[in-house]
Amino acid sequence: NAGVTQTPKFQVLKTGQSMTLQCAQDMNHEYMSWYRQDPGMGLRLIHYSVGAGITDQGEVPNGYNVSRSTTEDFPLRLLSAAPSQTSVYFCASRPLKGYGNTEAFFGQGTRLTVV
Amino acid sequence: GNSVTQMEGPVTLSEEAFLTINCTYTATGYPSLFWYVQYPGEGLQLLLKATKADDKGSNKGFEATYRKETTSFHLEKGSVQVSDSAVYFCALMMDSNYQLIWGAGTKLIIKP
Repeated sequence: NAGVTQTPKFQVLKTGQSMTLQCAQDMNHEYMSWYRQDPGMGLRLIHYSVGAGITDQGEVPNGYNVSRSTTEDFPLRLLSAAPSQTSVYFCASRPLKGYGNTEAFFGQGTRLTVV
Repeated sequence: GNSVTQMEGPVTLSEEAFLTINCTYTATGYPSLFWYVQYPGEGLQLLLKATKADDKGSNKGFEATYRKETTSFHLEKGSVQVSDSAVYFCALMMDSNYQLIWGAGTKLIIKP
C-alpha cells in the first residue's frame, strides 16, 4: 500500500525556471491538496481538489498551477520559480465522505530550493 | 475566522518527563480536532483526533481532550522518550468545510 507518493524529494531550480511536482495516491481519495511548509508558519494551503476535473485555490496560490485529470494524480506546477518559493511542499489526500472525521495522508515532501 | 494557536517551541525535555503542548482554537461552530506529528525528514501523520466536546483522543501514550469550555485540545504524555522528538501540529476541521486549519507546529526535543 503506497499511500501518497511525491516526486522528486529534492530539487534545486534557478529563478525563472518552471517545473512540476508530482503527487499520486492509490487510496481512491476524492480530496487532494498541496501545502507549503515554512519555518514558524505551519502549513499553508496552495491549491486543492475535491475530485477529477475540479480544483480551487487555497491561501497562497500565486505562482502555482494545478490540474486533476484523474482521481489518482494531482501535479503542482511552478510557472516561473522565485526565491520566495523555496520551501518544503507536501501533498495530502483524504476521503470526502465523513470529512469531519477523516484522516489526511501525507506524502514525504519535496524540498525545493530556488536560487 | 477559524484559527488554531499552539505554544511556541522548541520544547526541550529530558527522557521520562511529562509533556504538555498547548493548543487553543477559535471556531464558529463545533470543529473536529486533530494532532499530527512530523518526524524528521518525513510527512505528517495523524497522531490522534476528537470529534466532539469531552472526547479524548489517544495513541502511542499521547492523549488530548476536547474542551469546549476553554476551546482547547492540549496534547499530553506521561513519560516521553527520545523517539518522540518531532514537530507536533494541532489542527481543526469544520463539518461545513473540508479544509484543515493548522497551528504553526511545536518542535519537541527529548534529551536522553
